[in-house]
Amino acid sequence: DAGVTQSPTHLIKTRGQQVTLRCSPISGHKSVSWYQQVLGQGPQFIFQYYEKEERGRGNFPDRFSARQFPNYSSELNVNALLLGDSALYLCASSPGTYTEAFFGQGTRLTVV
Amino acid sequence: GIQVEQSPPDLILQEGANSTLRCNFSDSVNNLQWFHQNPWGQLINLFYIPSGTKQNGRLSATTVATERYSLLYISSSQTTDSGVYFCALPPPGTYKYIFGTGTRLKVLA
Repeated sequence: DAGVTQSPTHLIKTRGQQVTLRCSPISGHKSVSWYQQVLGQGPQFIFQYYEKEERGRGNFPDRFSARQFPNYSSELNVNALLLGDSALYLCASSPGTYTEAFFGQGTRLTVV
Repeated sequence: GIQVEQSPPDLILQEGANSTLRCNFSDSVNNLQWFHQNPWGQLINLFYIPSGTKQNGRLSATTVATERYSLLYISSSQTTDSGVYFCALPPPGTYKYIFGTGTRLKVLA
């Protein structure tokens, strides 16, 4: 079975631009969560979606948004990029909301 | 909010040595996971262990939820064990995982 897949793996953007990151969960998993990991720190929770509905939001500005599609894949959008948005963005997939999470390989975003 | 502290923050071992990593948390938990983050950033699941003891090869983990700590044991360490080890758990009634401060392990050949 394929694991959690994220695309792209690396991305370079300019300040002020917008970016869309994509995640495909493990087959049969209905929950997708997004995390941001800046260098030297642990991942920080951004969003969780379950059955296409937002179930949780972390302490991130409104420039961050996400959605989940009928096939349970998900997109994370970040508008008006700042240098501080440079980070590894991780997607996690799980069967339900309170179950074991499995992470993708991440998208490394660099904002210049 | 819930606090998740890991110790030690850094650990250097000679290949073949054993080690114990600790995760302390400040609130009750229903889920707890241990991850190994490799140098490429991939978070690899080691254990899903809200309570009790589990073993997988050279690794084992124990969570004592009533005393609010979890331990990860690595025996006969190998250079491929190098990386950062995180414990993570969701505060009660929430869906988000709070990650610990991490333990950076380096195993020398």
